Amino acid sequence: KNQVEQSPQSLIILEGKNCTLQCNYTVSPFSNLRWYKQDTGRGPVSLTIMTFSENTKSNGRYTATLDADTKQSSLHITASQLSDSASYICVVSATSGGYNKLIFGAGTRLAVHP
Amino acid sequence: GAGVSQSPSNKVTEKGKDVELRCDPISGHTALYWYRQSLGQGLEFLIYFQGNSAPDKSGLPSDRFSAERTGGSVSTLTIQRTQQEDSAVYLCASSLLFLASSYEQYFGPGTRLTVT
Repeated sequence: KNQVEQSPQSLIILEGKNCTLQCNYTVSPFSNLRWYKQDTGRGPVSLTIMTFSENTKSNGRYTATLDADTKQSSLHITASQLSDSASYICVVSATSGGYNKLIFGAGTRLAVHP
Repeated sequence: GAGVSQSPSNKVTEKGKDVELRCDPISGHTALYWYRQSLGQGLEFLIYFQGNSAPDKSGLPSDRFSAERTGGSVSTLTIQRTQQEDSAVYLCASSLLFLASSYEQYFGPGTRLTVT
């Protein structure tokens, strides 16, 4: 069964600290993995897109890693800011021929406190 | 340039009524997606269009839900005989081609539907 599991479900950190969010997936055939940031009341915004051959991708203070062997991804946020408070969603695409699926994780809700 | 737009931004309707939600994708984007997000919950993928066709409708919650796209552009999501559990934010997104091709996906602001 295609699944994407994220942990932790929620996280509170102090401003300036680092944190790492996890995403484990059982999706086949794997096409790519995305991390989105969703602010409250807004649509998701893409942070990174990673294909099978990519291990690390950075976007400013956000760094995503992908281990296709263990089917795990992480999103590391460095020097957190109050504006990082949001939900972070991991999405895995599966495709084979005419078969296309998007499998969403439930998200990690991050709160950055001053 | 213009992003994905959705209308209305808010909709309050009585239980049992039909509603239509509209999505205008970014010009030239062939793939269009509908999602639902209930309060405090994750995104639920409903349906996607590649051009005017929807290859997979299995994400639609019930047969009260339908969607169409004409001219490869605007899409409408219709909910018939609305129920209170249909209350959610309905998000639309578009991308140049389907996501599996690693193209960027852009989301609209959503339509907040409240069924009373």
